[in-house]
Amino acid sequence: DTEVTQTPKHLVMGMTNKKSLKCEQHMGHRAMYWYKQKAKKPPELMFVYSYEKLSINESVPSRFSPECPNSSLLNLHLHALQPEDSALYLCASSQGEAFADTQYFGPGTRLTVL
Amino acid sequence: GENVEQHPSTLSVQEGDSAVIKCTYSDSASNYFPWYKQELGKGPQLIIDIRSNVGEKKDQRIAVTLNKTAKHFSLHITETQPEDSAVYFCAVSNTGGFKTIFGAGTRLFVKA
Repeated sequence: DTEVTQTPKHLVMGMTNKKSLKCEQHMGHRAMYWYKQKAKKPPELMFVYSYEKLSINESVPSRFSPECPNSSLLNLHLHALQPEDSALYLCASSQGEAFADTQYFGPGTRLTVL
Repeated sequence: GENVEQHPSTLSVQEGDSAVIKCTYSDSASNYFPWYKQELGKGPQLIIDIRSNVGEKKDQRIAVTLNKTAKHFSLHITETQPEDSAVYFCAVSNTGGFKTIFGAGTRLFVKA
């Protein structure tokens, strides 16, 4: 199984809502990532978890809160978002914490903030 | 920090022709160079990668070449097909580094 799954596929939320994005992989990978991708742009790294510990936070606003409950799951909690946060949110995983590992991406969650 | 430039931003070819996309990078410590294909509404999918100890790698119609001295690498797609139409991203990372740096992307159109 080389698949990273993400739910939901689409999400529309108001600026006062709280919602969560979920990501799951069953490849035994120990590193998991959240990326944000705006239209016609490359993915931008937000967070990296390595062995279930937050390894990198790319100065992401606190309205985005990541969580790694176990080695297969990664969540992104959203609260008080702004319209400019509308984007495709991608989850990825790789075998280890070395950043020369192949990253496998999920299909993404298309988020719209009204 | 690392900087990756990707060219061209848009490429239109006739079905059956070849397509070449080029990337340059700045950090000589970079040692892993993947290429991702992203179709509309989907996440990026790895199509081929190369490590710094190899100059060329081929997988059927897709090949990647790496010139470490000049710090550039290229994606070659031969006998293009309409289903090759997508956005292609090059990327650069290194062992022990902190992140993968993506190029800006190339939108490839293959006309039938």
